[in-house]
Amino acid sequence: DVKVTQSSRYLVKRTGEKVFLECVQDMDHENMFWYRQDPGLGLRLIYFSYDVKMKEKGDIPEGYSVSREKKERFSLILESASTNQTSMYLCASSLERGWKGTDTQYFGPGTRLTVL
Amino acid sequence: QKEVEQDPGPLSVPEGAIVSLNCTYSNSAFQYFMWYRQYSRKGPELLMYTYSSGNKEDGRFTAQVDKSSKYISLFIRDSQPSDSATYLCAMNAPNSGGSNYKLTFGKGTLLTVNP
Repeated sequence: DVKVTQSSRYLVKRTGEKVFLECVQDMDHENMFWYRQDPGLGLRLIYFSYDVKMKEKGDIPEGYSVSREKKERFSLILESASTNQTSMYLCASSLERGWKGTDTQYFGPGTRLTVL
Repeated sequence: QKEVEQDPGPLSVPEGAIVSLNCTYSNSAFQYFMWYRQYSRKGPELLMYTYSSGNKEDGRFTAQVDKSSKYISLFIRDSQPSDSATYLCAMNAPNSGGSNYKLTFGKGTLLTVNP
């Protein structure tokens, strides 16, 4: 079974702190994704990566950056956390590089981040 | 107009009922259509995907796509309390470069099946 793990289930940070969210997948998947999920807004893509050291902006990249130094690990960084970044953050991975419409995304359990 | 519209519910039905969940979309470039199920405090998991217009059945679940109307549905027959979850529709199309894809999700419909 594919396993996507996220470093924390719950995280509380203060405004202005630098926050790192870590995601690891164990199935040698090419693609990795970071989403945030908010009531009434659904799942929104922040960034994705289709290869080590490669990244592409999603729909809402402002205020976030990412790092993929190893294939299995994809980090989301909030350089200076703000209260409007309080959300559920979900990491996902999928197997195939390139345009594969049927490529399944496997999600981690999520990190509930609260910024005070 | 949002690319994908999904009624957030909540939807509450008795055990054994037939459930119909729906999404509409505006982007004609969408080619693949998926339904994800998300249990409380878990990440979404893929339930079904379809490519062409028509029906696809998997056990108690049937996914239906009508590309001419830009409308997709998920039907659950003989619903069970274990089906209680949020159901998200998702669709994809190549990005502008044609090399990678992203999923566009509906907001999800919260379903409760009461025993």
